[in-house]
Amino acid sequence: RKEVEQDPGPFNVPEGATVAFNCTYSNSASQSFFWYRQDCRKEPKLLMSVYSSGNEDGRFTAQLNRASQYISLLIRDSKLSDSATYLCVVTSGGSYIPTFGRGTSLIVHP
Amino acid sequence: DVKVTQSSRYLVKRTGEKVFLECVQDMDHENMFWYRQDPGLGLRLIYFSYDVKMKEKGDIPEGYSVSREKKERFSLILESASTNQTSMYLCASRGQYPSTYEQYFGPGTRLTVT
Repeated sequence: RKEVEQDPGPFNVPEGATVAFNCTYSNSASQSFFWYRQDCRKEPKLLMSVYSSGNEDGRFTAQLNRASQYISLLIRDSKLSDSATYLCVVTSGGSYIPTFGRGTSLIVHP
Repeated sequence: DVKVTQSSRYLVKRTGEKVFLECVQDMDHENMFWYRQDPGLGLRLIYFSYDVKMKEKGDIPEGYSVSREKKERFSLILESASTNQTSMYLCASRGQYPSTYEQYFGPGTRLTVT
């Protein structure tokens, strides 16, 4: 399996800001793409899947660019509760084996 | 709600001990995973099981083995624990079909090997 790269941050933003993260992947045959959120000392939880057409869930928008091999996550109107580590996940191979990026840390301050 | 449980939240073992980490899921998922998570290195896949008695090595299988005798249970075994296996161990399960590719994680076991 190949690499999944993320900027570790931290991204330090004020409440109400818009922040965007990117994640690049090296395996052009990757099939599925996800963003997970991990709070401090907790397990990762699915934030959203990422589709070629792009998808939105409230303040969160995810995009996939297969040609350039990256996915993005946009968070609008940041809340204090958005502070967490955001993990990019890409699956590949016949068994859809997941590869995690190392995560991007977001800190939202008052 | 899917529930993935792990046998211990915290575990302290001595170098050379045999260590068993247990994971149980209650959603009849075919796929189960063991990861370790270390600061700066993220989650790394140790082993993956796609069915009972079936397993596949992940990125870092050395020093570990696994057992899946029943669909709901996936065990990680450290045959002879070493200090470099001190880490957070996370188990996850996942359904078989594309529409259920979400992974559900257990709360993790923080293992310290002294």
